Amino acid sequence: EPEVTQTPSHQVTQMGQEVILRCVPISNHLYFYWYRQILGQKVEFLVSFYNNEISEKSEIFDDQFSVERPDGSNFTLKIRSTKLEDSAMYFCASSADQRATNEKLFFGSGTQLSVL
Amino acid sequence: GQQLNQSPQSMFIQEGEDVSMNCTSSSIFNTWLWYKQDPGEGPVLLIALYKAGELTSNGRLTAQFGITRKDSFLNISASIPSDVGIYFCAGRRRANDMRFGAGTRLTVKP
Repeated sequence: EPEVTQTPSHQVTQMGQEVILRCVPISNHLYFYWYRQILGQKVEFLVSFYNNEISEKSEIFDDQFSVERPDGSNFTLKIRSTKLEDSAMYFCASSADQRATNEKLFFGSGTQLSVL
Repeated sequence: GQQLNQSPQSMFIQEGEDVSMNCTSSSIFNTWLWYKQDPGEGPVLLIALYKAGELTSNGRLTAQFGITRKDSFLNISASIPSDVGIYFCAGRRRANDMRFGAGTRLTVKP
């Protein structure tokens, strides 16, 4: 069964450093998403991406964050200058159908980001 | 706003018991979804609901899309140890974003 893959599974970084989280969505999917989950809390929406541009973003997705689809397979989340509160599990997701009423999101296993 | 209130926060049950959890919101959603998350893994879709009033089953799981489009429930019948995990409801109004509830942590005692 096709799956969303994320690398690395764990990332440790120093505060103020840049990190890039990588995702390979399911190959025929058109919509891509990043979510994050702070330990013990709910999954929070960060951003959605379609047709090489951001479709929607949450208030969490400030200027420190950016997303990119550098080629036909990868989808990346960059945090420019990490803060302690950026420590979380970051999930990538993708979906095939653009209609709101018939769309299933498939999630990757996540990247655990620890900012020291 | 699009805040989803999920309850209960946690449940401790005996194997074989039935489980019920629900989500409510002050906003209307076009789609309700229920996900399960195992430790260290991403959420996995259990059931998707697309129409108000819809009742859908997936094995021992049954979920309903509330008539008002502001709520949904998930039932698990005859629980087994592998049902342990965190269950999240999620609501979607548009294709581009989905909001999650805070999760219900389920523990099943053999």
